[in-house]
Amino acid sequence: GESVGLHLPTLSVQEGDNSIINCAYSNSASDYFIWYKQESGKGPQFIIDIRSNMDKRQGQRVTVLLNKTVKHLSLQIAATQPGDSAVYFCAETGETSYDKVIFGPGTSLSVIP
Amino acid sequence: NAGVMQNPRHLVRRRGQEARLRCSPMKGHSHVYWYRQLPEEGLKFMVYLQKENIIDESGMPKERFSAEFPKEGPSILRIQQVVRGDSAAYFCASSPRTGVQHFGDGTRLSIL
Repeated sequence: GESVGLHLPTLSVQEGDNSIINCAYSNSASDYFIWYKQESGKGPQFIIDIRSNMDKRQGQRVTVLLNKTVKHLSLQIAATQPGDSAVYFCAETGETSYDKVIFGPGTSLSVIP
Repeated sequence: NAGVMQNPRHLVRRRGQEARLRCSPMKGHSHVYWYRQLPEEGLKFMVYLQKENIIDESGMPKERFSAEFPKEGPSILRIQQVVRGDSAAYFCASSPRTGVQHFGDGTRLSIL
């Protein structure tokens, strides 16, 4: 079946370093991808999105890269801060009649001060 | 400019009781989604609703679970005759006709 998965379940980085969180997706028909951040005790928060007609999109300290050839998505966080510690989910959806979102299992990012 | 509101934040029920979880979408959002999350796991889609209509309930267990989004009032996720395995965090999200889903902070359901 279609699924979205992550390569690494946990990631520890030193404060100030860059973080890279990877995601694989299997549905080649998916054309809209979203990264969410979930802090403990809270709901997922939108970070950044990218459509399939793009291969890179930048936000504030975050960059999402999309490689459609290998169905791979990554989230790069520059100068990682303690406040970035959270679980990060990639999600995929399509331009169908509604926005059903399929989430990957998540990567837990821990920032070491 | 309130976000998605879920209540209660925590709900404790004994086995066999009913659990009712409420979700008020963001203003202007007519699409509501319910997800379930077990500890250390991702979010699993349960059901997608528009006002007075269930659009997709493919992720909802066939028995004991039901959802509604009435014309007036919040969306309700109802679990009848709860069992220990129903313990989880239940998240609601809303979106406008198209666009990113915005999530509430969830209801943590504990079954004694």
